[in-house]
Amino acid sequence: SAVISQKPSRDICQRGTSLTIQCQVDSQVTMMFWYRQQPGQSLTLIATANQGSEATYESGFVIDKFPISRPNLTFSTLTVSNLSPEDSSIYLCSVEEATTGQEQYFGPGTRLTVT
Amino acid sequence: QKEVEQNSGPLSVPEGAIASLNCTYSDRGSQSFFWYRQYSGKSPELIMFIYSNGDKEDGRFTAQLNKASQYVSLLIRDSQPSDSATYLCAGYTDKLIFGTGTRLQVFP
Repeated sequence: SAVISQKPSRDICQRGTSLTIQCQVDSQVTMMFWYRQQPGQSLTLIATANQGSEATYESGFVIDKFPISRPNLTFSTLTVSNLSPEDSSIYLCSVEEATTGQEQYFGPGTRLTVT
Repeated sequence: QKEVEQNSGPLSVPEGAIASLNCTYSDRGSQSFFWYRQYSGKSPELIMFIYSNGDKEDGRFTAQLNKASQYVSLLIRDSQPSDSATYLCAGYTDKLIFGTGTRLQVFP
């Protein structure tokens, strides 16, 4: 499966600031996704990052709060804007490998704490 | 509302026993199902996927799917303490929907 890296692995940010998370894949993939995992909870899909077009956001998530870029088939960024303590969470990118079907593989995650 | 439900556990089994993890789903349109293992502080790791009714075996793991009953399970044979983790079930229609996970504890 693809090797996925994320930067930063963790960060502590102040309320009202923004954090940009990078996701890098070692091979070209069509589908990249961003998830949030709040403490003690399961994974919630934020958006699908589409190469060359706007991201597709899930209900409850908006572009102004979670802008996403996908400049090529190996890289994406998620920005969490205007941070509040409720944004403290783990943010994960994943990729769907077209050759194997719908299986998704996750990056190591970014642990965000907002103070 | 598409849902995937799991018992949160913890499920405690002795080393060497069979651990049985269960999952139900509400959307009959779900095409495929996935089991992820998540160790504390780590990201989810895909361990099994199943698309068709019946059983699928991979080493010590067996995934079972019953679409009529909308039921998915994961059996872990010869459970080891290293299997202690949270197991997430996910179903796919147009996106992955995750259950809340079952925490498995394997004690020596």
